Amino acid sequence: NAGVTQTPKFQVLKTGQSMTLQCAQDMNHEYMSWYRQDPGMGLRLIHYSVGAGITDQGEVPNGYNVSRSTTEDFPLRLLSAAPSQTSVYFCASSYRAANTEAFFGQGTRLTVV
Amino acid sequence: DQQVKQNSPSLSVQEGRISILNCDYTNSMFDYFLWYKKYPAEGPTFLISISSIKDKNEDGRFTVFLNKSAKHLSLHIVPSQPGDSAVYFCAASARSGGSNYKLTFGKGTLLTVNP
Repeated sequence: NAGVTQTPKFQVLKTGQSMTLQCAQDMNHEYMSWYRQDPGMGLRLIHYSVGAGITDQGEVPNGYNVSRSTTEDFPLRLLSAAPSQTSVYFCASSYRAANTEAFFGQGTRLTVV
Repeated sequence: DQQVKQNSPSLSVQEGRISILNCDYTNSMFDYFLWYKKYPAEGPTFLISISSIKDKNEDGRFTVFLNKSAKHLSLHIVPSQPGDSAVYFCAASARSGGSNYKLTFGKGTLLTVNP
């Protein structure tokens, strides 16, 4: 049972480049979300989805796009990378909504130079 | 404006003693609270949760207490073990737009349990 799988684990981007962070879960969870973790800031919600075809913004959505075409996948797209997006990104899924146990991926460490 | 506050960035305790991690919140709409544990280079893992209709929830060595009037919750670990050394995040959720919920995390407390 893989749980939540994030790829890549590490990435270095140049300012202005775009990329997609992948997230897949095999638990048939309806709710998926993306967080970023910065030193001294805890985890901040970027975007979330309550089911295929439904997404909404979190606390820090600017500079990121998401889509949810299947239950399993929830990719996060950086449109034009900026140094301020240097962070560790976590994808999470849960059976229902945010007030149930969430399973997190191992994270993607992104550096924008 | 930080809605979930963990005012102690770090805590150090001796093995076998009690660890108490504290969390305060400001949003009275929060109705569910969770604790997550995170080891370095790993994703957070769920530890324990509590609904706002309860004031205590216990799971083995872990107990969470909720004081709604003070908008305060705490996580007690008894007895503490070296393997408990990790960052602990407090999180809270509130109904947002129908049945959707968002999780708001605190900044975390680094617990070190010394042998």
